[in-house]
Amino acid sequence: GENVEQHPSTLSVQEGDSAVIKCTYSDSASNYFPWYKQELGKRPQLIIDIRSNVGEKKDQRIAVTLNKTAKHFSLHITETQPEDSAVYFCAASIRSGAGSYQLTFGKGTKLSVIP
Amino acid sequence: DVKVTQSSRYLVKRTGEKVFLECVQDMDHENMFWYRQDPGLGLRLIYFSYDVKMKEKGDIPEGYSVSREKKERFSLILESASTNQTSMYLCASTTNTEAFFGQGTRLTVV
Repeated sequence: GENVEQHPSTLSVQEGDSAVIKCTYSDSASNYFPWYKQELGKRPQLIIDIRSNVGEKKDQRIAVTLNKTAKHFSLHITETQPEDSAVYFCAASIRSGAGSYQLTFGKGTKLSVIP
Repeated sequence: DVKVTQSSRYLVKRTGEKVFLECVQDMDHENMFWYRQDPGLGLRLIYFSYDVKMKEKGDIPEGYSVSREKKERFSLILESASTNQTSMYLCASTTNTEAFFGQGTRLTVV
């Protein structure tokens, strides 16, 4: 099955600096790569995603890049703010043999933005 | 708004008990998933279901079973709870892409 590796496991940045989280995946058939943000005590929520036919996608201070050849994708947060502090999960989606889609998650990155 | 509701926020059960965790979604999604979340291990897939009465094992199915009798409801069953099943359990309902999570059930097995 798919294997998603995520680094780093923890990341501390000063407010206003940029943060980068990187993920690699193993199955070249994966074609959808979402990122989820989980604030303390809350459920994970989708913040941005990218499909295999796109190399980069941006939404305000958040951007995601995808390198299909190298099988890695990254989340970039610019001008970080304290409310960006959370655990971030990357994921890769692959169509299962049963015809459904299966999301495999990375282990998460705990981002702390220091005011 | 998609709503995914888990029946309990906190549960405390004794070793050996049979435990049922219920999840209900209101968006007519075909795909439903059960994950457990542990510090440093992220979200690990236990079981998923792509249709009523259909189920597939995820990465860590041992010690668990599931039931999908109705499209909107996906139940996780711990046949005989053990202390190593103490964890946060998250249910998700998905379109073909985006996953919508429940609020989680923190299960403690004593």
